[in-house]
Amino acid sequence: QKEVEQNSGPLSVPEGAIASLNCTYSDRGSQSFFWYRQYSGKSPELIMSIYSNGDKEDGRFTAQLNKASQYVSLLIRDSQPSDSATYLCAVYTSGTYKYIFGTGTRLKVLA
Amino acid sequence: GAGVSQSPSNKVTEKGKDVELRCDPISGHTALYWYRQSLGQGLEFLIYFQGNSAPDKSGLPSDRFSAERTGGSVSTLTIQRTQQEDSAVYLCASSFLRGNEQFFGPGTRLTVL
Repeated sequence: QKEVEQNSGPLSVPEGAIASLNCTYSDRGSQSFFWYRQYSGKSPELIMSIYSNGDKEDGRFTAQLNKASQYVSLLIRDSQPSDSATYLCAVYTSGTYKYIFGTGTRLKVLA
Repeated sequence: GAGVSQSPSNKVTEKGKDVELRCDPISGHTALYWYRQSLGQGLEFLIYFQGNSAPDKSGLPSDRFSAERTGGSVSTLTIQRTQQEDSAVYLCASSFLRGNEQFFGPGTRLTVL
């Protein structure tokens, strides 16, 4: 079982729609959760962090965390073609000192 | 403020040569991580520094790989006797404390001919 799992996609949504990206993780002791956006040929760019159960909103982005279900998601409202990228979920567990990354979900926003 | 910087941005080398990759983290960030990303693949953890010490070197693929960090700041990743399978993008990231938000540099693209 992979430690952090994401659907590889591609996830295609029309411009203006809500894109929903999901991530599950295996270590119940995980404490910190992050979403990154990575454009082709570029390095990952931090979008959001979330540390406690519930929702966290930042502009068009909302991160949702459910530790009981070991599930974290990212919603992108009013999706734009410029949001087309690979979205990486990362999970930090203090016992390992490591940030474990999923393999990413490729999002395509269709104009 | 200045972000994480890495140099060189691109490095082409011949098989068997040694290479040094440099990372300059965000000022004040105590934690520094090196990752490797092969084409179309996920991020592979290499090594983690807290200050100048490396509590976890478990991700280094072989003893040809080594890294150091001096002054709690700049880090260098050295690959000796490079092999073609070492070709990848090497990414450095830093965070204020481990577990905090981690910020990536632009990466060094290494090509071993």
